[in-house]
Amino acid sequence: DADVTQTPRNRITKTGKRIMLECSQTKGHDRMYWYRQDPGLGLRLIYYSFDVKDINKGEISDGYSVSRQAQAKFSLSLESAIPNQTALYFCATTGRGFLADTQYFGPGTRLTVL
Amino acid sequence: AQSVSQHNHHVILSEAASLELGCNYSYGGTVNLFWYVQYPGQHLQLLLKYFSGDPLVKGIKGFEAEFIKSKFSFNLRKPSVQWSDTAEYFCAVNARNTDKLIFGTGTRLQVFP
Repeated sequence: DADVTQTPRNRITKTGKRIMLECSQTKGHDRMYWYRQDPGLGLRLIYYSFDVKDINKGEISDGYSVSRQAQAKFSLSLESAIPNQTALYFCATTGRGFLADTQYFGPGTRLTVL
Repeated sequence: AQSVSQHNHHVILSEAASLELGCNYSYGGTVNLFWYVQYPGQHLQLLLKYFSGDPLVKGIKGFEAEFIKSKFSFNLRKPSVQWSDTAEYFCAVNARNTDKLIFGTGTRLQVFP
């Protein structure tokens, strides 16, 4: 079984719709992250969470919100989707943070906003 | 602001050719360095990482990278590539006084038999 799962894997939606992307992990890690990947831009950090009560903005948090429902679950929401949010979204986890640990990535969610 | 540059956007090689992918970062302090690989249709996975010690780091599948502090570089190498190395490769840097991992824009490697 995969350590980090994301649902849905693919989603097509329309401008203005609310979308939630979900991430679950079975690694027992405290730290979870949401990135988006765009061609030619690499991965950019949207939000990250060091535990259930600690949520931080990344470099491109505008237009997004997150919820850490439990240690194992971290959801990303687009309150009103717009076409330039079309991208591949990845969730990741680490046990102790960047200083010492590998990031484990989910399989990604491909989101298309029409 | 920190940044990571991967100057090779797309590399095409034949099998058995040698590979070197460049990675440069801009940050004057202590850093942790990573290379991640994304095979077609798959998620990112760690190839290798450097935290301290020997600047020549060996990773999985015959890859290695050398940290040259004076050049702010962490280039990825493999002496003889295989078709199965076709993937996108991302360099990433974490400055030790921050909680963020900064990714480069990626290098797409295509290896032809």
